[in-house]
Amino acid sequence: EVQLVESGGGLVQPGGSLRLSCAASGFTFSVYWMSWVRQAPGKGLEWVANINQDGSEKYYVDSVKGRFIISRDNAKNSLYLQMNSLRAEDTAVYYCARDLTGIAFDIWGQGTMVTVSS
Amino acid sequence: SSELTQDPAVSVALGQTVRITCQGDSLRTYYASWYQQKPGQAPVLVIYGKTNRPSGIPDRFSGSSSGNTASLTITGAQAEDEADYYCNSRDSSGNHRVFGGGTKLTVL
Repeated sequence: EVQLVESGGGLVQPGGSLRLSCAASGFTFSVYWMSWVRQAPGKGLEWVANINQDGSEKYYVDSVKGRFIISRDNAKNSLYLQMNSLRAEDTAVYYCARDLTGIAFDIWGQGTMVTVSS
Repeated sequence: SSELTQDPAVSVALGQTVRITCQGDSLRTYYASWYQQKPGQAPVLVIYGKTNRPSGIPDRFSGSSSGNTASLTITGAQAEDEADYYCNSRDSSGNHRVFGGGTKLTVL
C-alpha cells in the first residue's frame, strides 16, 4: 500500500524549533519530488516547500525561507522539515505529499499538528 | 495573497451540475490540479493535467481550462461531494507551487 506517515508535531514556544518526519512506503521514494503543505486551523492549504529526488533542488514559500529546511534520506525513505524560529502563524497541520513535479500532489499523509504558543 | 483565485462558496442542487473555477496568470502556462477535502481529512487529488482522474475518482468529476481560468465540473453532484475544493498549480516563476483559497461546495 502506498503510504505517507508524518510524525514530530507538537506544542512549541515561539522562537523554538521542531523537526517533522514523513515515512514513505509502498513506492520507490527516491524517484519522486516531495513537498510539505500546511493548513492553519480553519484556513486553506498552503504549499510550504519541496525537494527534488536527490536533494539538490529545494524551494520554499517566502514566509518560511531562512527558517525552515527541507531534506530527505532516500536510504530511509524519509522526508524531513526542520522548523526554526517558529512563530504563532506557523501553527497548522503539516502534510507531506508526493509531488509529481508540478503536475499534482497525488499521495498525502494524514498530517501532523504543530502548535506554536507560549 | 494567493496567486490563484477561487470563489469562497458555491452551492448545487442534488443531481445537478456545478462548475468551480480557479483564476490566475500562471494557468495560461501550467495546468491546474484539483483537491477535495472533507472535514478532518487529508486532501484527495481528483483532477490533474488536462483532465485526468486518478484511479477511484468517479467520472462525474472533470476538468477544463481556458486562458487564465481552470474549472472543475461535477456532473450530477452527490451528497458525498460536499467538501472544500482547492486548485493548485505552479506560480509565475515555475518553481513554487501555489494553492487557491478554496471553494466550499454545498449540495442542497
